[in-house]
Amino acid sequence: AQSVTQPDIHITVSEGASLELRCNYSYGATPYLFWYVQSPGQGLQLLLKYFSGDTLVQGIKGFEAEFKRSQSSFNLRKPSVHWSDAAEYFCAVGIDRGSTLGRLYFGRGTQLTVWP
Amino acid sequence: DTAVSQTPKYLVTQMGNDKSIKCEQNLGHDTMYWYKQDSKKFLKIMFSYNNKELIINETVPNRFSPKSPDKAHLNLHINSLELGDSAVYFCASTTGEKYGYTFGSGTRLTVV
Repeated sequence: AQSVTQPDIHITVSEGASLELRCNYSYGATPYLFWYVQSPGQGLQLLLKYFSGDTLVQGIKGFEAEFKRSQSSFNLRKPSVHWSDAAEYFCAVGIDRGSTLGRLYFGRGTQLTVWP
Repeated sequence: DTAVSQTPKYLVTQMGNDKSIKCEQNLGHDTMYWYKQDSKKFLKIMFSYNNKELIINETVPNRFSPKSPDKAHLNLHINSLELGDSAVYFCASTTGEKYGYTFGSGTRLTVV
């Protein structure tokens, strides 16, 4: 079965510091990969996605992520964190079934706290 | 605005009651989902509809019944509400997994 692992439940960084949130998946082929952000009381917003091409993808709000096939990883990075980045971050994996009959599998989330 | 909209945003009700949550998307997507997010933020898929046809039905109590009158709407009816049903319920839609999902802002259900 497919699985998505976010090893860090909670990360705390200072404002202005760099950030890396980890995500590993288990699936035999190359999946579709996503990072979502959920601010308190809000829905999930898509930050970025990868399904083919350049393994370094740029997203909104200054985030980027790198797909590493050899490590089955899709880590999210930001060079300088802002206080408004404090939120819950979810990694998700989608499986190509050649139709819309699939689903996304979500990791359990990483809560980011930003110190001023 | 193009979006996935859910109503109501908050729902407080007593055990044993029956309630419905509504979802509408104007994105032209063919597939819609219901997800449940528990108190630990874990997102669990409940149902998926593609063009009004049920295609995913996870292990969910049969007190939960989805209905899709057309491909732009997916409603969730819950009978005989229990304390354990308290959660945030998210509706989402997509035109295909490679594009990701667009989520609604959620319905926070509290059963007392």
